[in-house]
Formats: sequence, structure tokens, C-alpha cells
Amino acid sequence: ETGVTQSPTHLIKTRGQQVTLRCSSQSGHNTVSWYQQALGQGPQFIFQYYREEENGRGNFPPRFSGLQFPNYSSELNVNALELDDSALYLCASSLARSGGGYTFGSGTRLTVV
Amino acid sequence: QQQVKQSPQSLIVQKGGISIINCAYENTAFDYFPWYQQFPGKGPALLIAIRPDVSEKKEGRFTISFNKSAKQFSLHIMDSQPGDSATYFCAASIRHNFNKFYFGSGTKLNVKP
Repeated sequence: ETGVTQSPTHLIKTRGQQVTLRCSSQSGHNTVSWYQQALGQGPQFIFQYYREEENGRGNFPPRFSGLQFPNYSSELNVNALELDDSALYLCASSLARSGGGYTFGSGTRLTVV
Repeated sequence: QQQVKQSPQSLIVQKGGISIINCAYENTAFDYFPWYQQFPGKGPALLIAIRPDVSEKKEGRFTISFNKSAKQFSLHIMDSQPGDSATYFCAASIRHNFNKFYFGSGTKLNVKP
């Protein structure tokens, strides 16, 4: 059973650029959630995808968008990057309506300069 | 508005001692309370979780105590070991919803040999 894998592990982008982060969910999981974790803070919910549709969204602007593919993998896209977008982006997979916890990936460390 | 408040921010415990981390929440609709452990450079990993119909859950050296009336829950790590040194996050969610998690701000635990 494979866990959640994210790519790339580290990324440096310039303010105003666009970035795409990728996530492969754990085998058997059909739901993917994305979180932003600023340095020294707890993860903040960005959005969740289930059956290729956005299934809930946190307090993030529309320049944060995502996709889920038929194999349950997912992408997080961020447009018009700002310095405050520098953070660890975590992908977590779960089984919908299982009521259980997530399995997190190791994250992508994004630095915006 | 922070939905889950966690304390202390950091904690130093001697090997063999008891580590106690506390969390408080406001939303009475929360019905699932997990604790996550995060090592540097890694994503959070589910440690133990509780539902509000029980007041305590124990798994090995880790125990969650839950006080529904006070809207508080805590993690106790018995016989703390240097390998337990990590950042711990409490979280809360509404399971019948899309299972969005609200995380506390984290507690950095340092267990001294």
C-alpha cells in the first residue's frame, strides 16, 4: 500500500508567477484535501476534491484552484504568486464519509521571492 | 477566528516524564478530534483520535482525555522518549460534513535524554 506522494519537494518562484503542485493519493482513497502550512503554524484548509469536483473550500482567494483526476490524483494551482504564499503545501487523502483521519504527504515547500 | 486553540506553544520534558498538551474548541458540532505528530520535513501523521461519546482513549503511551462540557481535550504522552520530540497538532472536524479539519497552532515537544 503506497502512501501519499507529492511533487516537487521544493520550489522557488518569483512573485507574480504561477505554480502547479501535484499529489498522488494513497491507494484506496478517493478524496484529496489541500492544506497550507505557514512556518510555525498549523495547517490551514484550502479545499477538498471528491469525484473530480471541489467539495469544500476554505478562506483562500480564487487564484488558488485545483483539479482531481479519475485516478484520484490532484493538482493545486496558484496564480499571481505573492510573498505570503511561501509555505509548506500539504496534500492529504482519505476515504469519503469514512469519518476517519487523513493520510498526509510530506508536502511541497514553496518559496516565493 | 481560531476554531481550535492549543497550548503550550513549546514544551520541554525529561526522558521518562509525562508530556501534556491541551486544546480547546468552540464549535459544538465538532465530532472527531485527532492528534497529529509532525517531524521536521515531513507531513503530519495521525497519532490517535477520539469521538465525543467517550471521555478517554489510550493507545500505548498516548492517551486522549476529552471533556465535552468544557469543550477541551488533551494529549498525554507517558514515559516520554527523545524519539517523541516533534511538533504535535490537535484538530477537530465535523465528520458528516466534507471532513474539513481545523488545526491548532502546534506544540513543539523536546524530550531531553
